[in-house]
Amino acid sequence: QVQLVDSGGGVVQPGRSLRLSCAASGFTFNTYAMHWVRQAPGKGLEWVATISYDGNNNHYADSVKGRFTISRENSKNTLFLQMNSLRAEDTAVYYCARGPGYYDSSYLDHWGQGTLVTVSS
Amino acid sequence: DIQMTQSPSSLSASVGDRVTITCRASQGIRNDLGWYQQKPGKAPKRLIYAASSLQSGVPSRFSGSGSGTEFTLTISSLQPEDFATYYCLQHNSYPFTFGPGTKVDIK
Repeated sequence: QVQLVDSGGGVVQPGRSLRLSCAASGFTFNTYAMHWVRQAPGKGLEWVATISYDGNNNHYADSVKGRFTISRENSKNTLFLQMNSLRAEDTAVYYCARGPGYYDSSYLDHWGQGTLVTVSS
Repeated sequence: DIQMTQSPSSLSASVGDRVTITCRASQGIRNDLGWYQQKPGKAPKRLIYAASSLQSGVPSRFSGSGSGTEFTLTISSLQPEDFATYYCLQHNSYPFTFGPGTKVDIK
C-alpha cells in the first residue's frame, strides 16, 4: 500500500535552515509528481511546492519562493524540502502528498502524516 | 492566481442530516477539483476527485458535483465520524489553492 512518511521537523530560530524529508513506499516513486502542503496552527491548508516526477520542473508558492527548494532522490524514493531563511510565519505542520503520476492523473491522493516545524527564538 | 471560496465557513448539524458545502473558483477550472476531509491532528483525506468521482473506500453518502466555477460536496446522511473540517482544492493551475475550509460540528 502507498505510504508517505514525513520527517525532519523541529524547533529552529528565525533565519536558520531546516530540511524536511518524505520517504515513499508502495508505489513507483519515480513516476509521480510530489508536493509539499503546510498548515499553520489553527489555520487552513496552504500549497507550498510541487516537483515533477523527474525533478526537472518545480513550482512554488510566492510565500516561499527564493527561500525553499523542493527536490527528490528517486534512487532512494525520497522527497525533500530545503527551507532557508525561516520566518515565524513558516511555523506549520508540513505534509508531503502524491500525484499525478505518469500513468495516473490523480492529484494529491495520498498524504504523509505531517511533520511540525516551529520557528521561534 | 485562482481564489477559492467556501460556504458556509461552519455549520452545526445532527446525525442523519443532509449537508451541502459549496466551493467557488474565481475563474473556470473545468473539473480540476478535489474535496478533502480533515480531523484534528490528522492529515487530510481525499474524498472526491475530478469534482464528482468518489475516492475508493469512501462511503457512498459522500458525493460531489459541479464544473467550471461552482462545486458542491454533499453528505446525504451525516454520520458521527463525519464531524470534521472539509476543504476543496483546485489543481487547474499553479499556484494550487485550497478553499478556507468548512467545519462541520454536532448540533
